[in-house]
Amino acid sequence: TQLLEQSPQFLSIQEGENLTVYCNSSSVFSSLQWYRQEPGEGPVLLVTVVTGGEVKKLKRLTFQFGDARKDSSLHITAAQPGDTGLYLCAGSNTGGFKTIFGAGTRLFVKA
Amino acid sequence: NAGVTQTPKFQVLKTGQSMTLQCAQDMNHNSMYWYRQDPGMGLRLIYYSASEGTTDKGEVPNGYNVSRLNKREFSLRLESAAPSQTSVYFCASTPLAGGLYTQYFGPGTRLTVL
Repeated sequence: TQLLEQSPQFLSIQEGENLTVYCNSSSVFSSLQWYRQEPGEGPVLLVTVVTGGEVKKLKRLTFQFGDARKDSSLHITAAQPGDTGLYLCAGSNTGGFKTIFGAGTRLFVKA
Repeated sequence: NAGVTQTPKFQVLKTGQSMTLQCAQDMNHNSMYWYRQDPGMGLRLIYYSASEGTTDKGEVPNGYNVSRLNKREFSLRLESAAPSQTSVYFCASTPLAGGLYTQYFGPGTRLTVL
């Protein structure tokens, strides 16, 4: 069974600080996605990474897919209160219908 | 476009009662999914429908049934609700089946079984 472990589970920081969230597995994935979920809403896709070693930037967010395609990280620079939410990583394999989700990292950014 | 809509938003059931959760998408997507989200466990796939007319079990199908009514609608039925089914249920859709596609989620149904 493929599993995705996210760390830390919870993070509370001050506005302006940097942070990194990790998503690790013992299995290889063809692609990995990061979603953000706000209270009372469904997850919304932030990015999809498909190539080992790939780095993608979305404004102050930097996503990296590990060389072996077993892990990923999300780095936020100068966090803002609007970044508060639950960050989920999700892995899938080519030809498979099922996506495996991690349990998430709950981020709280204090003004 | 409304995207993915779910009804109801909240529901309280007594053990043994039945109910159907409704989901509809207006994006002309072929594939639809039902997940449950529990604290500390992430999203777990209950059932999915790769295309109209087909449904398959996911990771946690026991106690649930689904119907792909047409291309737009995918319903989830609890025949005899149990407290272990207390959860937040999300419906999602993708253009085609497969993990490379963005999953578009509905706002969720928060279900409590007493």
